[in-house]
Amino acid sequence: QVQLQESGPGLVKPSETLSLTCTVSGGSISGYYWSWIRQPPGRGLEWIGYIYFSGSTNYNPSLKSRVTILVDTSKNQFSLKVSSVTTADTAVYYCARAYVWGTLPTGYYMDVWGKGTTVTVSS
Amino acid sequence: DIQLTQSPSFLSASVGDRVTITCRASQGIGSYLAWYQQKPGKAPKLLIYAASTLQSGVPSRFSGSGSGTEFTLTISSLQPEDFATYYCQQLNSYPALTFGGGTKVEIK
Repeated sequence: QVQLQESGPGLVKPSETLSLTCTVSGGSISGYYWSWIRQPPGRGLEWIGYIYFSGSTNYNPSLKSRVTILVDTSKNQFSLKVSSVTTADTAVYYCARAYVWGTLPTGYYMDVWGKGTTVTVSS
Repeated sequence: DIQLTQSPSFLSASVGDRVTITCRASQGIGSYLAWYQQKPGKAPKLLIYAASTLQSGVPSRFSGSGSGTEFTLTISSLQPEDFATYYCQQLNSYPALTFGGGTKVEIK
């Protein structure tokens, strides 16, 4: 059974870069899409972006200028970087597998989630 | 972006009640909709995808229906473990995957 685990610093200073890693266990990262989603305190879910195991990406336009998602198939990991963070980036960050459904357009839903990691932006 | 509006935002119900949550899309999305359940301090859990397909392992008291712009999640007989927040999500990633604002189901 595939499991995901987020890791990274819980505190980041304003204007710095937030960096998180998601480790995939119990299955291969190959053949799937992998996503990041965040949830500010007391609020709803926001999709950040996804990456295919081959390295192709798609980002939320609202965050695209500050976000980079990378994959390392040798380590069965993918990662998230958000640059120039502000307090508005304080949230629980989840990694998830984005399962493909449908064609024209292709649809994606998240069928396996990590437990989430809290990132606070504060000086 | 495709906007999703859930109603109600908050729902108070009793064990055994039939509960219906609505998700309306700002434009037609066919059957490109999923539903998730989230309990406090936990990650969301996939319940339904493709508007009406039950994810493996999810109890049959959960069902989804709808297409185009209006969708519903129904819990046929509310159980104590069903008290949670529910989110809909549209599956088209261009320009962005989006979620509804959530519906919190609490004990009456």
